[in-house]
This record gives sequence, C-alpha cells and structure tokens, in this order.
Amino acid sequence: DAKTTQPTSMDCAEGRAANLPCNHSTISGNEYVYWYRQIHSQGPQYIIHGLKNNETNEMASLIITEDRKSSTLILPHATLRDTAVYYCIDADAFRANNLFFGTGTRLTVIP
Amino acid sequence: DGGITQSPKYLFRKEGQNVTLSCEQNLNHDAMYWYRQDPGQGLRLIYYSQIVNDFQKGDIAEGYSVSREKKESFPLTVTSAQKNPTAFYLCASSIVKGSYGYTFGSGTRLTVV
Repeated sequence: DAKTTQPTSMDCAEGRAANLPCNHSTISGNEYVYWYRQIHSQGPQYIIHGLKNNETNEMASLIITEDRKSSTLILPHATLRDTAVYYCIDADAFRANNLFFGTGTRLTVIP
Repeated sequence: DGGITQSPKYLFRKEGQNVTLSCEQNLNHDAMYWYRQDPGQGLRLIYYSQIVNDFQKGDIAEGYSVSREKKESFPLTVTSAQKNPTAFYLCASSIVKGSYGYTFGSGTRLTVV
C-alpha cells in the first residue's frame, strides 16, 4: 500500500509554476522523500530527493515541511514537456527494493 | 553515456509462448529491478537482484523468471504460466545503499495475442 498521498490530477498554465503536493505523514527518520516523473509510455525519470532540508536542482525545487509530514515539488516555469505523472515516494535510502510507486499525480500543462 | 537499455521496445507473442525481455546497464550498479505497469496503474515489483547470481521475488513474481549471471544484465522471462502477460515492463538499476535513487530503462510493451 502507498505510504504517500497525492492528488490524482492537476492542471498548470504554461510558464507558470507548478506546485505538486504530497503527504507522507508516516515517514520515518531515515527515509528520504523522492520525486520521479513518468512521461507517457516511457520509464520513470528521477527528479529530486531530500531528507529534511529544501533542495533545488536544474529540474525542480523540493520543499519539505519542518515536521517532514509533507512536501511540495515545484517546477518553476512549467512547459508542455512537463506534462507527466509525478510520483512522490518516501523510502529508506540504505535498503534496496524500497521504492513504492503508487498512481501519482497526473500533471497537465495547458498552453 | 551511462544508462540502462531495454529491448525490444514493442514485443508481440502468441499465447502460450515464453518470451524473454532484455535489460542491460553500464552504470556499474549492483542492484537491478523488474516492474510491471498496467494502464492507469502504478508500478508493481516482479523481481529484484542486489548482486550477481542472487535475486528475490517481488510482489507479483508468479509466472515470471529471471537470471543474473552478469552484473550488467538482468533478463526477464515471461512464461506461459503468467495469466495476464500483456503489460508495460520496466527495468531499473541502482546502487544498493545510498540516496541516489533508481535509473529506469525506457520499457518494453508486451502484447500477447
């Protein structure tokens, strides 16, 4: 069963920031928050991960609340190519076989 | 460039035939995984391997078999015992311990007719 909760779908206007929320209220102290995305008929693509500090890379920013029970993935300037299913996963980085991909959030970027 | 390659991208087989899906990585990752994805669903783990010559069943291993004779390769065989083999199959790899996440292949879409 999924340990995270995400909205089923979201829309975002092209050029605007896309903010994708995720609840992970049962996350444990050694579990990271990972975000992946899957464009139709392709393999999932790693986006970003974090433990407790906010993180930023060339693709996105990750904001984790102080109690670590929720996080937000931010795509600062969404493009049509960002249309995909986004998965939020909490997992222990030091155990293999620990990523559970639920149904994610289907983000549609609208022209 | 390092990566993970699945072949073929599309595969058609007749019911009752075994079929083998290829997965090769040149990332020097110790762990490799096979997932199945059905339309509108998340990914379900079939098998995984953390080291050469060793592998473990995932959540839906029945009707599937794997081998891990080389670090770079983790082929999946879909046997005739698999009741609903038509699906999108994804292979992934990772280091065993560490926070760097998984690298996925582009997938193989298997259709059994």
